[in-house]
Amino acid sequence: DTEVTQTPKHLVMGMTNKKSLKCEQHMGHRAMYWYKQKAKKPPELMFVYSYEKLSINESVPSRFSPECPNSSLLNLHLHALQPEDSALYLCASSQDAGWPSGAQHFGDGTRLSIL
Amino acid sequence: RKEVEQDPGPFNVPEGATVAFNCTYSNSASQSFFWYRQDCRKEPKLLMSVYSSGNEDGRFTAQLNRASQYISLLIRDSKLSDSATYLCVAPDNTDKLIFGTGTRLQVFP
Repeated sequence: DTEVTQTPKHLVMGMTNKKSLKCEQHMGHRAMYWYKQKAKKPPELMFVYSYEKLSINESVPSRFSPECPNSSLLNLHLHALQPEDSALYLCASSQDAGWPSGAQHFGDGTRLSIL
Repeated sequence: RKEVEQDPGPFNVPEGATVAFNCTYSNSASQSFFWYRQDCRKEPKLLMSVYSSGNEDGRFTAQLNRASQYISLLIRDSKLSDSATYLCVAPDNTDKLIFGTGTRLQVFP
């Protein structure tokens, strides 16, 4: 069983909807990540939070808005998405985001479909 | 040169075979490396971390060659359940983890 929990597992939404993806970890990790993965491609980093502060935004469109309410929770707010945003969204956590890089542990993802 | 490069495969091997994958990385200052396995439509799962010359865990051995900037993953006595995509991961010069495109392994009876 994964120690990083993501909800919902599946989400279908229209282009005008607003929804949120949620991620929770109780491993005491201080770094949390959002990735996007398309079929047959590797995960692409979107955001990194380190000690509850946004440290990396990989030039992600503003229709994706991350939020880290506390050290265990990470949200991804979605608004006005496009069909090409349909993908598997993965949350991950690691001990910290410092050097050397530590292993990241992934949740089982939210499969998002935009109609 | 891509930051992390892998042969996409597929590698088709019979049960019981030994198979090895290589992965090259571009950041010579990288200190830590990882192999993940990913099953179809599932999340990546950490298989092995490599911080020094290598690591061994049961049938799996990872080796690091810093001079040539590659890491390898060796799987001995392949099982049907080993069929998956194996992702090589290394940090870039900003400490972000970069995923290779993955190597697909198919083990057949």
